Amino acid sequence: EIVMTQSPGTLSVSPGGRATLSCRASQTVSSNLAWYQQKPGQAPRLLIYDASARATGIPARFTGSGSGTEFTLTISSLQSGDFGIYFCQQYNDWPPSWTFGQGTKVEIK
Amino acid sequence: QVHLVESGGGLVKPGGSLRLSCAASGFTFSDYYMTWVRQSPVKGLEWISYISSSGTFTYYADSVKGRFTISRDNAESSLYLQVNSLRVEDTAMYYCTTSRKGLMEHWGQGTLVTVSS
Repeated sequence: EIVMTQSPGTLSVSPGGRATLSCRASQTVSSNLAWYQQKPGQAPRLLIYDASARATGIPARFTGSGSGTEFTLTISSLQSGDFGIYFCQQYNDWPPSWTFGQGTKVEIK
Repeated sequence: QVHLVESGGGLVKPGGSLRLSCAASGFTFSDYYMTWVRQSPVKGLEWISYISSSGTFTYYADSVKGRFTISRDNAESSLYLQVNSLRVEDTAMYYCTTSRKGLMEHWGQGTLVTVSS
């Protein structure tokens, strides 16, 4: 099983600030990496797929990068609606054994 | 737009069973692969099962293999998860999602399964 490790666990950012979230895979997942945002009481929402492609309706302030084992999600000019928990997920395995990171909580500073 | 509504969760004793359902609307259900994903405070997000668009191919996480069965009814635009031999560690929110290449594009609101004596 590919283990996904996210850092930091919690990130405190001021509105208008920049957040940089990291995700590391225990073995290469190529670019088969997605990022999700989850707000309290809601299901996760797809933000980024294929490491850097934004999902439909996701604003340009969300940027994904990386390949192989190291990935980054950057959120520039944070808005109040951006606070929540962010998860990465690899979908490189076939047959599927897709795995998620444990999440990074982005909170208001 | 894509709308997924799960149901069927509840409180069940260890060893018990449930049938989870996911009603889909707003898209051509028979064109989509589907998955079940669960989330608990202990294990976080966990992919547990996947079914091809026709229902021919199914896959399971090792943690549920042999106990859970995924199925679908394309005529009814519905996805199912039969969960048997439930354990305390199966306690979680269960989500159905559309799946493309393994990423989860659209999620339902979830149905809560609690396994406790």
